[in-house]
Amino acid sequence: DADVTQTPRNRITKTGKRIMLECSQTKGHDRMYWYRQDPGLGLRLIYYSFDVKDINKGEISDGYSVSRQAQAKFSLSLESAIPNQTALYFCATSDPGEETQYFGPGTRLLVL
Amino acid sequence: AQRVTQPEKLLSVFKGAPVELKCNYSYSGSPELFWYVQYSRQRLQLLLRHISRESIKGFTADLNKGETSFHLKKPFAQEEDSAMYYCALTGGGNKLTFGTGTQLKVEL
Repeated sequence: DADVTQTPRNRITKTGKRIMLECSQTKGHDRMYWYRQDPGLGLRLIYYSFDVKDINKGEISDGYSVSRQAQAKFSLSLESAIPNQTALYFCATSDPGEETQYFGPGTRLLVL
Repeated sequence: AQRVTQPEKLLSVFKGAPVELKCNYSYSGSPELFWYVQYSRQRLQLLLRHISRESIKGFTADLNKGETSFHLKKPFAQEEDSAMYYCALTGGGNKLTFGTGTQLKVEL
């Protein structure tokens, strides 16, 4: 679904660097999410936002921060990247009252 | 706390054989259950949800509250069914809890 886009698609960075992953959507959804996917662990929720002024921690928020710049944009930052943050990161959106989430294509992050 | 368990990391079946991907959940209220699928090099997408009671691509899943299960079934596996399948649960409020996923491999 091209309505949810993520940039960059791939990123290699070094330990200690600050990086930002961006998510944009044209679905007009209020709710946005960031997940990380690790082999054998499935998807785990990092942060979520139910509207522009709402930010909530998920299951594994330590080491991450987010910014909801607009209804359509939700950015994930790693303040000081570490190797165990190497993972595939997904953004998702949903509408209130509809539980289905729509996912972006993912960003593959490698922290050296 | 809500939890989703998918006991099989990998399930390998032959083309034409029946498929059953297991999912068990733990939740104290009335959950809504989903199956999401991720084909190779594609994004995660919804396959089906229990509330819709649909059959998508030949797959069905029935919510069994007594056994707290939501197993995904298909009578005859096709090669294009090879993918990673995730069971997910929400108790409302749009927050999804995912299982660890099962890789389905359909062999010829």
